[in-house]
Amino acid sequence: SQQGEEDPQALSIQEGENATMNCSYKTSINNLQWYRQNSGRGLVHLILIRSNEREKHSGRLRVTLDTSKKSSSLLITASRAADTASYFCATDTPQGEGGSEKLVFGKGTKLTVNP
Amino acid sequence: ETGVTQTPRHLVMGMTNKKSLKCEQHLGHNAMYWYKQSAKKPLELMFVYSLEERVENNSVPSRFSPECPNSSHLFLHLHTLQPEDSALYLCASSQDTRYTEAFFGQGTRLTVV
Repeated sequence: SQQGEEDPQALSIQEGENATMNCSYKTSINNLQWYRQNSGRGLVHLILIRSNEREKHSGRLRVTLDTSKKSSSLLITASRAADTASYFCATDTPQGEGGSEKLVFGKGTKLTVNP
Repeated sequence: ETGVTQTPRHLVMGMTNKKSLKCEQHLGHNAMYWYKQSAKKPLELMFVYSLEERVENNSVPSRFSPECPNSSHLFLHLHTLQPEDSALYLCASSQDTRYTEAFFGQGTRLTVV
């Protein structure tokens, strides 16, 4: 069953601008992860934020987590054409709630960065 | 290169064929997964293996049959598939089922004709 729901579904920006993608989820989580997928390829892990963390940075990526609102955001600063890809959030539900522990992905946000 | 290798990258098969997808990892991970990615649908978890034992089977039709002969290899055997089974099949591995980070292969693009 779907847990994470990203929005917007598609985002088109100019190179140099910032891109913000949001993810909402339904149940309590151990952690939330963001992945990137280039067209027709495998997913690449970007960043993991634990349920007791509120913000995390990795290079040009900034992730926030608000467990009270069950939401997360991914900010990509100073975007480049090479950032064009689909971005997915994935949540890891604690064992015993909603079934066995597993990583559940949303539908993703398709980001296009125009040169 | 994530350390997870899937073969073949592309596969076209008829509905009466039998084929197998292969996944290999040498990351020392104990958990391996099959996911299905169809157009405009979320990534669907199909099977989870932990220490070579299946721990999750998400109501997947029996025409998909997984096999995990050892912790480094995972197969997905396919038989009598339907056109709606056409999708990108992704294999992933992680240290264990208590997720930290999943490493994905490049996927097999399957077309059923």
